[in-house]
Amino acid sequence: LAKTTQPISMDSYEGQEVNITCSHNNIATNDYITWYQQFPSQGPRFIIQGYKTKVTNEVASLFIPADRKSSTLSLPRVSLSDTAVYYCLVVLSGGYQKVTFGTGTKLQVIP
Amino acid sequence: EPEVTQTPSHQVTQMGQEVILRCVPISNHLYFYWYRQILGQKVEFLVSFYNNEISEKSEIFDDQFSVERPDGSNFTLKIRSTKLEDSAMYFCASSEALRSGKTDTQYFGPGTRLTVL
Repeated sequence: LAKTTQPISMDSYEGQEVNITCSHNNIATNDYITWYQQFPSQGPRFIIQGYKTKVTNEVASLFIPADRKSSTLSLPRVSLSDTAVYYCLVVLSGGYQKVTFGTGTKLQVIP
Repeated sequence: EPEVTQTPSHQVTQMGQEVILRCVPISNHLYFYWYRQILGQKVEFLVSFYNNEISEKSEIFDDQFSVERPDGSNFTLKIRSTKLEDSAMYFCASSEALRSGKTDTQYFGPGTRLTVL
């Protein structure tokens, strides 16, 4: 499984755009990049997933360069409720695969 | 939007007692998982389950643990003789069985907080 590296913590003011970058140098051809969000005492919540270029949904955008060795989760105009831990994972396509969580990035949104 | 549900939300038990944690996966999903998260630590994989059998298990999932799908909707995790170190949040997750080339997104339940005294 490709290992991911992301900052341990980030602070941001309310209303700002937040970009969290993740490194996955050993990503394999069949791996997808997946981001989860976790609030204290809650289960991880799927945010977004992508393979290459850019993916956007109602919550976030995911930017993936051509070499796929890194990715950036972009959260537009964060609010206090976006304070959470964000996990970057690589997930093999097809069938099942256990998900291996790292320590994630603890985002603190400041009023 | 369909979601994974878990019961109870909080379970308190005495050391050495058996506990059963229950999960109802999303209805059209075929792969089921249990994870745990000790307070302040990472989410750890325990076991995956497909077609009524264990697909993979971690070193944490020893003989004290077992999983079962007793009917068409529930997925359970049993701990036969709880230890203090079993105190953690336990998360159930499920995913669809997708064709190769598509992704296997896991959807997590809200968790059961297990406290062993």
